[in-house]
Amino acid sequence: AQSVTQPDIHITVSEGASLELRCNYSYGATPYLFWYVQSPGQGLQLLLKYFSGDTLVQGIKGFEAEFKRSQSSFNLRKPSVHWSDAAEYFCAVGRDDYKLSFGAGTTVTVRA
Amino acid sequence: GAGVSQSPRYKVTKRGQDVTLRCDPISSHATLYWYQQALGQGPEFLTYFNYEAQPDKSGLPSDRFSAERPEGSISTLTIQRTEQRDSAMYRCASSSSGRANEQFFGPGTRLTVL
Repeated sequence: AQSVTQPDIHITVSEGASLELRCNYSYGATPYLFWYVQSPGQGLQLLLKYFSGDTLVQGIKGFEAEFKRSQSSFNLRKPSVHWSDAAEYFCAVGRDDYKLSFGAGTTVTVRA
Repeated sequence: GAGVSQSPRYKVTKRGQDVTLRCDPISSHATLYWYQQALGQGPEFLTYFNYEAQPDKSGLPSDRFSAERPEGSISTLTIQRTEQRDSAMYRCASSSSGRANEQFFGPGTRLTVL
């Protein structure tokens, strides 16, 4: 069975500062990896995904993530956060059978 | 449609009642998923459809839960004899065919069982 761990439940960051959200997974095969963002009252929106190839992937809204096989990690980063980045972020692992397994999420608060 | 829609957005029911939740996926999408998201948790897989076929029901918590997609488009999730522990956000997603394609999520239905 695979699992996804997001060690940080809540992160507070100042506007303009950098942000890094951690994600670790356990899965026997090469995973498909995703980051989703959930804003209040909204559905989950895909930020970026990794299937293969270049381990540094670029996403929407200025986010990027790096796949590190040796560490079983897929951390999300943004160099300079905006107040609109306040949301809940979910890391997910996709399997060959279509399912997504999600982490518990990290809530990001942005202070002025 | 332009996106995935779900109805109702909020549902409050009494314990023991049956509820039916509806999902209208993106019209071109063959695959439809249902997830349950408890407060403070990530979504948990319930079941999915490829057109009208339902290859995997392994995530359904009990036989009180059932889902249909009879014409390969709109889907319903029915919970019979609701219990308080069924209170959660129920999310629907759809994707085009192909493994690990992006799943597009609807806004969810918040179910509260009193």
